[in-house]
Amino acid sequence: NAGVTQTPKFRILKIGQSMTLQCTQDMNHNYMYWYRQDPGMGLKLIYYSVGAGITDKGEVPNGYNVSRSTTEDFPLRLELAAPSQTSVYFCASSYLGRRGAANEQFFGPGTRLTVL
Amino acid sequence: DAKTTQPPSMDCAEGRAANLPCNHSTISGNEYVYWYRQIHSQGPQYIIHGLKNNETNEMASLIITEDRKSSTLILPHATLRDTAVYYCIGADSGGSNYKLTFGKGTLLTVNP
Repeated sequence: NAGVTQTPKFRILKIGQSMTLQCTQDMNHNYMYWYRQDPGMGLKLIYYSVGAGITDKGEVPNGYNVSRSTTEDFPLRLELAAPSQTSVYFCASSYLGRRGAANEQFFGPGTRLTVL
Repeated sequence: DAKTTQPPSMDCAEGRAANLPCNHSTISGNEYVYWYRQIHSQGPQYIIHGLKNNETNEMASLIITEDRKSSTLILPHATLRDTAVYYCIGADSGGSNYKLTFGKGTLLTVNP
């Protein structure tokens, strides 16, 4: 298994540009997540999905959109990029088969985004 | 989710046990204690979790106090590759179990 893969690894955007960060997992996990991590800080949840066709907002969703058309893919869309979106973005997945199951999340390698 | 408190940094000698403390005095009875770590520039990695009992796996041991207000992650024989930020997370074991809140964690530096 490749686990969780993310593309691109690095990207520089100009203010106002848009882009899509790709995330794919091959573990048949039902839950997928997008986090951002600013320098020296912990991770903040942007959006999450409990399965194909179902997404919900996390702690910091403004300026982002997501979709989940398949179990494997969970792209994150940035519209009208702003300098405040300069961060490292991590995608993660987990399998939560029942209420109360432990949440062992598997993370991708991250995308380092700079908005100038 | 329970608020957790961790020291910002710790040092450990290579080959010795690393004991990382975490205070979670507001944890509720149905919240797990999770430990994740993040090696520089990589995505976080799950280590271990527990509810009430002590737990051990191939990576580490988790000791939870009887009152569940604090816990200690033990890396029995730390290596240089264990240098990382370690996150202690208190999270629901019920319907909101999808949500993990990552704070700033403890930077563990393993010295040769």
